[in-house]
Amino acid sequence: KAGVTQTPRYLIKTRGQQVTLSCSPISGHRSVSWYQQTPGQGLQFLFEYFSETQRNKGNFPGRFSGRQFSNSRSEMNVSTLELGDSALYLCASTGEYQETQYFGPGTRLLVL
Amino acid sequence: SQQGEEDPQALSIQEGENATMNCSYKTSINNLQWYRQNSGRGLVHLILIRSNEREKHSGRLRVTLDTSKKSSSLLITASRAADTASYFCATDSGSARQLTFGSGTQLTVLP
Repeated sequence: KAGVTQTPRYLIKTRGQQVTLSCSPISGHRSVSWYQQTPGQGLQFLFEYFSETQRNKGNFPGRFSGRQFSNSRSEMNVSTLELGDSALYLCASTGEYQETQYFGPGTRLLVL
Repeated sequence: SQQGEEDPQALSIQEGENATMNCSYKTSINNLQWYRQNSGRGLVHLILIRSNEREKHSGRLRVTLDTSKKSSSLLITASRAADTASYFCATDSGSARQLTFGSGTQLTVLP
């Protein structure tokens, strides 16, 4: 099975812009979770989607949003980018009745 | 916020030696998982231990869990240069899809 894929792999934006990141889960996986990784805060949970519905949400401002499509692919959007949004954004997919999350390679976002 | 701390923050050993890293967490958990990350890339799942288990093995990996002390340890035996990476513990306190990660241990294995 192909693993989790994320696009783009690298992105450079300027403050105030918005960005959309994409994640394709492992075939058959319906749950997609997103995480932000920064040197200062480490790995932090953003949100989780299952069957096109957000099931869990971490402690992030409303500028961070996401959605999931009927084919389980997910996107996350960050509006009005701030310098502190520079991070590695990781998505992970999980099979139904499974506990292990399988991570993609991440999208590295740099906000200038 | 992070669940807890990992100890040590950095560890440097020679190839062939064993590496032990520890993880502490704050709340009760359903299970604890260990992940490896190479140079800021994606996380690779290593092993999962449930809250009712005390020890688990997988190849050169041995994980222990002490829920009374809210701590876990990961032992990598006969380490190799390819084991050089950051290692994170992650806990699941409610939803298995919402993991809380530790701060990580940077392991360097010198050839």
